[in-house]
Amino acid sequence: KNEVEQSPQNLTAQEGEFITINCSYSVGISALHWLQQHPGGGIVSLFMLSSGKKKHGRLIATINIQEKHSSLHITASHPRDSAVYICAVYHGGSQGNLIFGKGTKLSVKP
Amino acid sequence: EAQVTQNPRYLITVTGKKLTVTCSQNMNHEYMSWYRQDPGLGLRQIYYSMNVEVTDKGDVPEGYKVSRKEKRNFPLILESPSPNQTSLYFCASRRLQTLAGGGEETQYFGPGTRLLVL
Repeated sequence: KNEVEQSPQNLTAQEGEFITINCSYSVGISALHWLQQHPGGGIVSLFMLSSGKKKHGRLIATINIQEKHSSLHITASHPRDSAVYICAVYHGGSQGNLIFGKGTKLSVKP
Repeated sequence: EAQVTQNPRYLITVTGKKLTVTCSQNMNHEYMSWYRQDPGLGLRQIYYSMNVEVTDKGDVPEGYKVSRKEKRNFPLILESPSPNQTSLYFCASRRLQTLAGGGEETQYFGPGTRLLVL
């Protein structure tokens, strides 16, 4: 069983829809990253959070440490949001060892 | 411009021929890390460094070496490459701070190095 599980694996949405991507983990963590990998391969860090909620533009990330679960929400989705979204957790008390989920491939149709 | 650079971007080599992939950052970040990405397996951490002269193994360190002699550089060394090390490699860096410290905790990724070992 993977230590970091994402759902869904693939997601197709219409432009303007509200999107939720989920991440569940089975290990103790100190923090969690949400990453975006563009079709060209480049990786961008969207959020790093250890509690609560963070918002940046149309993106919102939440984490529930007790339930070992995080969500990434995209409001008013746009075709340029099409990418692979990856959840990664810092294992244990360190900020060093990073374990990744397999990613969620999002396609937003115009 | 804040950036992480990797060289080379593409490399074809043969089994057993030692190679080094360089990684450099211009943001004075303490933390640097190497990852490999493979179809079906996703991203996996190879090694990371919390500061100069401090390195630690990630999940897939076998067959790799690293060093951190200067803060800005974190080279990845394959002493005797094998075909199973054919992969897409990413280097990344970020500022290291206490999680309660707030502020920007973005991890900056390099553009990737595509390696083929024949």
